[in-house]
Amino acid sequence: EAGVAQSPRYKIIEKRQSVAFWCNPISGHATLYWYQQILGQGPKLLIQFQNNGVVDDSQLPKDRFSAERLKGVDSTLKIQPAKLEDSAVYLCASSLGGSGRETQYFGPGTRLLVL
Amino acid sequence: AQSVTQLGSHVSVSEGALVLLRCNYSSSVPPYLFWYVQYPNQGLQLLLKYTSAATLVKGINGFEAEFKKSETSFHLTKPSAHMSDAAEYFCAVSEGQASKLTFGTGTRLQVTL
Repeated sequence: EAGVAQSPRYKIIEKRQSVAFWCNPISGHATLYWYQQILGQGPKLLIQFQNNGVVDDSQLPKDRFSAERLKGVDSTLKIQPAKLEDSAVYLCASSLGGSGRETQYFGPGTRLLVL
Repeated sequence: AQSVTQLGSHVSVSEGALVLLRCNYSSSVPPYLFWYVQYPNQGLQLLLKYTSAATLVKGINGFEAEFKKSETSFHLTKPSAHMSDAAEYFCAVSEGQASKLTFGTGTRLQVTL
């Protein structure tokens, strides 16, 4: 079974530029998550989708971050414009359902450096 | 609101020694608890999880954890450390029907010869 795929693996941009990340979850997984992991910290949830609907985006900085999951499968996360503090690893995860006991499966992440 | 505290950002053990990584949680409802491991430049991999069945949970690679409600703890142990166990370990909590995971700040495990 293929795992969660993410691209690109690394990205370097200058502040005020825009960037987009892509995620393809495990086949059949209805729930998709985007996490931000700043160096030295644990991952923090940015947004959670159930199929193509948003369940939780309370910690997404909506003035600069946006995410979509149009067909309930793959997803993109965009930052526009980027700030220095956005330098982090962006992790995508998926789970079969949306309950608290579900195991979340993580992709390898996209490492973003904003200069 | 749920939260997780991991005591010790760095833990160093000798190969063959006991591994003990500490995790305390705060939750307003019965929690689900998870331990994930992260190797360099990789995503997180589930080691084990507690979902209100047995309080002693066995996971992959010889790890286990015990849920203690009275102490609000979910410490991770392994009887004998191996060099390949060197990684970052994260404890996480979720509540009820909401699958949002709240992670601790992580513990980096170093294994020495």
